[in-house]
Amino acid sequence: DAGVIQSPRHEVTEMGQEVTLRCKPISGHNSLFWYRQTMMRGLELLIYFNNNVPIDDSGMPEDRFSAKMPNASFSTLKIQPSEPRDSAVYFCASSFWGQGIYGYTFGSGTRLTVV
Amino acid sequence: QKEVEQNSGPLSVPEGAIASLNCTYSDRGSQSFFWYRQYSGKSPELIMFIYSNGDKEDGRFTAQLNKASQYVSLLIRDSQPSDSATYLCAVSRRLTGGGNKLTFGTGTQLKVEL
Repeated sequence: DAGVIQSPRHEVTEMGQEVTLRCKPISGHNSLFWYRQTMMRGLELLIYFNNNVPIDDSGMPEDRFSAKMPNASFSTLKIQPSEPRDSAVYFCASSFWGQGIYGYTFGSGTRLTVV
Repeated sequence: QKEVEQNSGPLSVPEGAIASLNCTYSDRGSQSFFWYRQYSGKSPELIMFIYSNGDKEDGRFTAQLNKASQYVSLLIRDSQPSDSATYLCAVSRRLTGGGNKLTFGTGTQLKVEL
């Protein structure tokens, strides 16, 4: 199992540019989560998909952020336009939701720097 | 009040000692509780979970849950330098739209000294 795959690993961009982060969840998992991690705020849930449908996007900070999950094996998180305060590590995680208790498996993360 | 609170540390313990990490949560509807370990520059990895009051042991790790006090802890016996990391407490509740939502604390940094 390749685990949760995120790309790119690092992204440096200029303020105002569009940034797209990508995620491939573990095959068979039906829940996908996008988190942002900073020193000050820790891990914050941005958006959550269940069976490719967005269930909770209350953590998306502004309209500049959008996320899609067109199929069970791919999701994107887009920031347009990007700002320096968006600099953080963005994690994608997936899980199986059903009977029982399941933790999340995290991808390696994308370290975003907006200058 | 934060939903999940942890002391940021650092918590320093000598090699071979017991490390005790604590976490409190505010949502009484929380159903399952998780401990993740995160090395610097890496992603969080699941160590163990607990959902019933009492203790749960897995190797050198013991998770303890007290729902009445809304308190979760993680004990690491025979601490090793390789245990030096940030430990994240997470609580879960089911969502009406399906699935579980994990809310994380900001983590406790553990340093195991030689």
